[in-house]
Amino acid sequence: QTVVTQEPSFSVSPGGTVTLTCGLSSGSVFNSYYPSWYQQTPGQAPRTLIYNTNTRSSGVPDRFSGSILGNKAALTITGAQADDESLFYCVLYMGSGISVFGGGTKLTVL
Amino acid sequence: EVQLVESGGGLVQPGGSLRLSCAASGFTFSNYAMSWVRQAPGKGLEWVSTISGSGGSAYYADSVKGRFTISRDNSKNTLYLQMNNLRGEDTAVYNCAKVRWSPWYFDLWGRGTLVTVSS
Repeated sequence: QTVVTQEPSFSVSPGGTVTLTCGLSSGSVFNSYYPSWYQQTPGQAPRTLIYNTNTRSSGVPDRFSGSILGNKAALTITGAQADDESLFYCVLYMGSGISVFGGGTKLTVL
Repeated sequence: EVQLVESGGGLVQPGGSLRLSCAASGFTFSNYAMSWVRQAPGKGLEWVSTISGSGGSAYYADSVKGRFTISRDNSKNTLYLQMNNLRGEDTAVYNCAKVRWSPWYFDLWGRGTLVTVSS
């Protein structure tokens, strides 16, 4: 069974930079998995941030960026703001209409 | 306005059935695959199922295969999820999501509907 791994939690200071990662329990993440990233605040629907590894969704500020770092997908937030405090999920596409979510990273800005 | 609105959630006993609906507006519904994604209380997001734009192909997570059926009515711009033989672990908020197939990602989300499976 495919397991997508994310850090359970991360902290960043206001104005700081943080990189969240998205890996596979076995193997490396490649662009062909079409990594995408979503932000969720309590009680709200997820918001699409990044797709196709590094393409920002419409309206997403450029302080959010995506990449492949080593064998993982990565989401970097530059100049963190208080309202970035939320949950971040990555998704990998496994083919044949199947996608797998990571467990999510709870980001604290303090 | 481009939006997805889910309905049909509620309280159901273990072993029971429920059908969720997702009404789409603001885009050409039949042109896009659609998915259901759920979130159990205090847990992360979990992909449940995806259906192609035509409805001809459907895909399921192992956790729901054989119990849930995804379908769509393109004349009504509505997505469905028929859930049978429900279990306690199916308790979750169920969101529908619009899918971009290539590259693959979810580009529009509904706010969700809560399903509670309990006696």
